[in-house]
Amino acid sequence: AQKITQTQPGMFVQEKEAVTLDCTYDTSDPSYGLFWYKQPSSGEMIFLIYQGSYDQQNATEGRYSLNFQKARKSANLVISASQLGDSAMYFCAMRVFGAGGTSYGKLTFGQGTILTVHP
Amino acid sequence: DSGVTQTPKHLITATGQRVTLRCSPRSGDLSVYWYQQSLDQGLQFLIQYYNGEERAKGNILERFSAQQFPDLHSELNLSSLELGDSALYFCASSPKDSLAKNIQYFGAGTRLSVL
Repeated sequence: AQKITQTQPGMFVQEKEAVTLDCTYDTSDPSYGLFWYKQPSSGEMIFLIYQGSYDQQNATEGRYSLNFQKARKSANLVISASQLGDSAMYFCAMRVFGAGGTSYGKLTFGQGTILTVHP
Repeated sequence: DSGVTQTPKHLITATGQRVTLRCSPRSGDLSVYWYQQSLDQGLQFLIQYYNGEERAKGNILERFSAQQFPDLHSELNLSSLELGDSALYFCASSPKDSLAKNIQYFGAGTRLSVL
């Protein structure tokens, strides 16, 4: 079974500073994808960034980057130059692709980290 | 805006009742997923449909059922509702079901309150 662990229930950061949100995962499958989503107080889930298990480079999307350490099974999200609008819940999620080319869509989510950006 | 439309946004009902949640995926997306978000369980995968066929099943109760129609919209039916079914229900869609990078885009959710 797959498992995602986010050990930081809450994080605080000063505006314009960088912040790292931790995520560790557990799976025995060699083929998987890791995702980060943002959930503002309004409730919607917004996709931020994706990292495949075979990707050679760490993913980046604008101010978001993913610090992927495969041997440690960690996929930390780094937000640079934090903005007040970054205050939200952040979820790490994983999808295992399975053997024989079978692809199941299930995302397994962590418990989330609430990020608060202070002015 | 993700392009995934969920209706209604809010639903208040009583125990024992039945409700239907509706989801329209992004244009061209063949896969639809349903998730439940509650305070005690977090975000849980319920079920996936791909082009009208059930593809994967998660922790979905027998009182819950879903389907995907020929026009690719999906409905999640919740019956014999209990207080514990109160949650935020998300629908997500993705372009296809493959090994490639396959991002699930979420709708705004339907907040269900069972009184």
